[in-house]
Amino acid sequence: AQRVTQPEKLLSVFKGAPVELKCNYSYSGSPELFWYVQYSRQRLQLLLRHISRESIKGFTADLNKGETSFHLKKPFAQEEDSAMYYCALYNTNAGKSTFGDGTTLTVKP
Amino acid sequence: DAGVTQSPTHLIKTRGQQVTLRCSPKSGHDTVSWYQQALGQGPQFIFQYYEEEERQRGNFPDRFSGHQFPNYSSELNVNALLLGDSALYLCASSLTSPNYGYTFGSGTRLTVV
Repeated sequence: AQRVTQPEKLLSVFKGAPVELKCNYSYSGSPELFWYVQYSRQRLQLLLRHISRESIKGFTADLNKGETSFHLKKPFAQEEDSAMYYCALYNTNAGKSTFGDGTTLTVKP
Repeated sequence: DAGVTQSPTHLIKTRGQQVTLRCSPKSGHDTVSWYQQALGQGPQFIFQYYEEEERQRGNFPDRFSGHQFPNYSSELNVNALLLGDSALYLCASSLTSPNYGYTFGSGTRLTVV
């Protein structure tokens, strides 16, 4: 069975501080991992995916297979980063994504 | 491109009734997945449709069924509604391969009374 755990329901940081949103997964195969973000009154949208090793809006995420983690990081948080963040694991064999329960990030001025 | 569109936006139904939710995928996408999102939880996978067939199913009872049409649009049907079916239902479209991630609709808020 595949599972995604986001241990923090709420995370609050000050503007300019570094931020790390944690994501741990359990999966027996080779994972494809994603971060999705939902800003206030907007729909859920893709932020980044591990396979492309990209940086979006200053966020990066590194897949650590040894620790089965895919933490999302940003060195200097901005107020506009305040949103709900979901980590998701895509099972290529089953063709479905499993989502964590999300972390609400609040960036205070 | 309007992206993924879902209808209706909100719906109130009585316990025991049946409901149909609709989804039009993003242009160019061939796969539609449906998710149920309860308050305070992440989206839970219901099922996925590709080439007009149910390709994969999550842990949901047979009361939940779906359909995909030749134009890739999709419907989610729920029979014999229970109070616990009250949730936000999300439609997500994607390419089957390669997987670049989902594009989500804004959801249908179903309330069962």
